Amino acid sequence: SQQGEEDPQALSIQEGENATMNCSYKTSINNLQWYRQNSGRGLVHLILIRSNEREKHSGRLRVTLDTSKKSSSLLITASRAADTASYFCATDAAGTYKYIFGTGTRLKVLA
Amino acid sequence: DTGVSQNPRHKITKRGQNVTFRCDPISEHNRLYWYRQTLGQGPEFLTYFQNEAQLEKSRLLSDRFSAERPKGSFSTLEIQRTEQGDSAMYLCASRPNRTSGVGDTQYFGPGTRLTVL
Repeated sequence: SQQGEEDPQALSIQEGENATMNCSYKTSINNLQWYRQNSGRGLVHLILIRSNEREKHSGRLRVTLDTSKKSSSLLITASRAADTASYFCATDAAGTYKYIFGTGTRLKVLA
Repeated sequence: DTGVSQNPRHKITKRGQNVTFRCDPISEHNRLYWYRQTLGQGPEFLTYFQNEAQLEKSRLLSDRFSAERPKGSFSTLEIQRTEQGDSAMYLCASRPNRTSGVGDTQYFGPGTRLTVL
C-alpha cells in the first residue's frame, strides 16, 4: 500500500486562482518530491525538498515540508488551464532504494 | 538527451500469455526503476536496478514478474501467465549517478499500458 496520501483527492478551481494540495507520509525521509502527470502519460518532476529544508520555490510553485508532522504542501499560484493534471508526492523511504508515491490530487483548472 | 523510452506503448494480451516490456533509460543513468500504476492511483514501486544489479524488489511482486538489466543499460520486465489483475500502466524511470541535486530526480518514460483480456 502507498505510504503517501494527498488531499484533496480532487480540486477544481478557476484560472488565476491558487491551488494548494497536501501530502502526508509515514516514515523518515531524505527528501520529498512532487510530480505532475497529464492524463495517460508519464510523470514529470516538478520540485524536490530535502528533509532539512522547510520551504522551496520554483517559478509559480511553492513547497513546504514539516518533518515533525510528516507532511508537505504544494502551492501553485496564478493557476492556468495547462496546470490541469494529477499531482503526486513521492518520498524516498529511508533505508531502502524505493520511492513511495501518494494517491494523487487531480487538479482541474477552468478557463 | 532523448529521454526515457518504453516499448511497446500498448499491449493487449489474453490471460495466461507472457508479455515482455522494454525500457531504454537516459544514457549514462545508472539507476533504473519500474513502477506499476492503476487507474486513479499513484505509481507503485516494483523494482530498482543500479547498473546491472537488481538491488530491491517489492514484496508485492509475485514470482510471475521478473526484471533484468543485463548490461546496465536497457531493462526488460516480463510477466508470465498474465492475469486480468495485471492490467495497468507499467512505468520506467531512470536517475543519474550523482547522489545529490539533480541526482535525486527521476525521469519517467511514457509507460506501457497493458490490457489483459
